[in-house]
Amino acid sequence: NAGVMQNPRHLVRRRGQEARLRCSPMKGHSHVYWYRQLPEEGLKFMVYLQKENIIDESGMPKERFSAEFPKEGPSILRIQQVVRGDSAAYFCASSPPTAEQFFGPGTRLTVL
Amino acid sequence: DAKTTQPNSMESNEEEPVHLPCNHSTISGTDYIHWYRQLPSQGPEYVIHGLTSNVNNRMASLAIAEDRKSSTLILHRATLRDAAVYYCILRDGNSGNTPLVFGKGTRLSVIA
Repeated sequence: NAGVMQNPRHLVRRRGQEARLRCSPMKGHSHVYWYRQLPEEGLKFMVYLQKENIIDESGMPKERFSAEFPKEGPSILRIQQVVRGDSAAYFCASSPPTAEQFFGPGTRLTVL
Repeated sequence: DAKTTQPNSMESNEEEPVHLPCNHSTISGTDYIHWYRQLPSQGPEYVIHGLTSNVNNRMASLAIAEDRKSSTLILHRATLRDAAVYYCILRDGNSGNTPLVFGKGTRLSVIA
């Protein structure tokens, strides 16, 4: 059973471009979470999704950020018009109902 | 989720036991105590969790105080690979798949 997969592992964008981060949960996991880790800081929750539904987006900035977890395919975290402050490591985690979360290796976004 | 308090850093010699403390004086009766760790440049990794009784698994042991206001993660023989940031997190067992709330954790250094 493959673990949580994230791609790309590293992403470089110029200010104003769009960043699309993908997360494929573990097989059988229907719950996906996105977290962000700014340089030298702790992990902060962004959004929690189940298939086709956003359950909790209380940690996601209201503007420029969106997330989806379609019926088929990976979960996508999209950041529009990126700014330097978006540079961070973005981690995805998945879980079955009421169990621990399994994290992916992260996508390291650098905004030039 | 209730707040936890951990030392910022700890140091251990290789092959010796390590006791990582966590205080959670405002824990509620339905809060589970979870431990995750994050190795350098990787996503967090589940270690262990418990409610009232002490727990053992292949990675570690979790000792929970009788009043549940503190707990200790025990690594029986530290290896260089155990150098990581260790996070003690409370999750309400009644709230289903709630996101994890990460604090600053304890940075464990292992000396060869």
